[in-house]
Amino acid sequence: SQQGEEDPQALSIQEGENATMNCSYKTSINNLQWYRQNSGRGLVHLILIRSNEREKHSGRLRVTLDTSKKSSSLLITASRAADTASYFCATDGNQFYFGTGTSLTVIP
Amino acid sequence: EAGVAQSPRYKIIEKRQSVAFWCNPISGHATLYWYQQILGQGPKLLIQFQNNGVVDDSQLPKDRFSAERLKGVDSTLKIQPAKLEDSAVYLCASSVNNYEQYFGPGTRLTVT
Repeated sequence: SQQGEEDPQALSIQEGENATMNCSYKTSINNLQWYRQNSGRGLVHLILIRSNEREKHSGRLRVTLDTSKKSSSLLITASRAADTASYFCATDGNQFYFGTGTSLTVIP
Repeated sequence: EAGVAQSPRYKIIEKRQSVAFWCNPISGHATLYWYQQILGQGPKLLIQFQNNGVVDDSQLPKDRFSAERLKGVDSTLKIQPAKLEDSAVYLCASSVNNYEQYFGPGTRLTVT
């Protein structure tokens, strides 16, 4: 079974709005990564947060990590139509696991 | 820099047949991964190589799947014999530091 579970499974927002997706995992980790997948560019790495970090920013992305709750969130601010994709969290503990993904649709 | 190359991009076979996928990672990337992604799910790690040694193959169905990475560069993943449930996209990825992974375009396998 997969380690990570994303929530919600699907999200639809208007362009310019913020999108938040969450990831929960089961075991201790070394780091957590977020990836984006769309038909055009395949799977692309977005950001990595280490287990001793609580928050990280990269451009319009903000990631938080709460190891006590075994959860992470990805916030995309000022969304664009090009952000339409599936987003996966991936955990690196004893093994490398991808979550189930959140499908984000940004409506122009 | 050139990305991760995979071939073929598409493959259709009948159940019980054999199939092989090829991956050429980014030059200098010591770690290579093979994933299986079934439609609507996240990628599942099948096997991870560090140079030409296996780091993790705990989720590889070893009765039918095999993989090798000769000389620590290219890799092949083989399925023999294929089952209907093997229909999926097979993704290859590589990384230089076991952190950020760079993915290839994948091979879409259909087993009929």
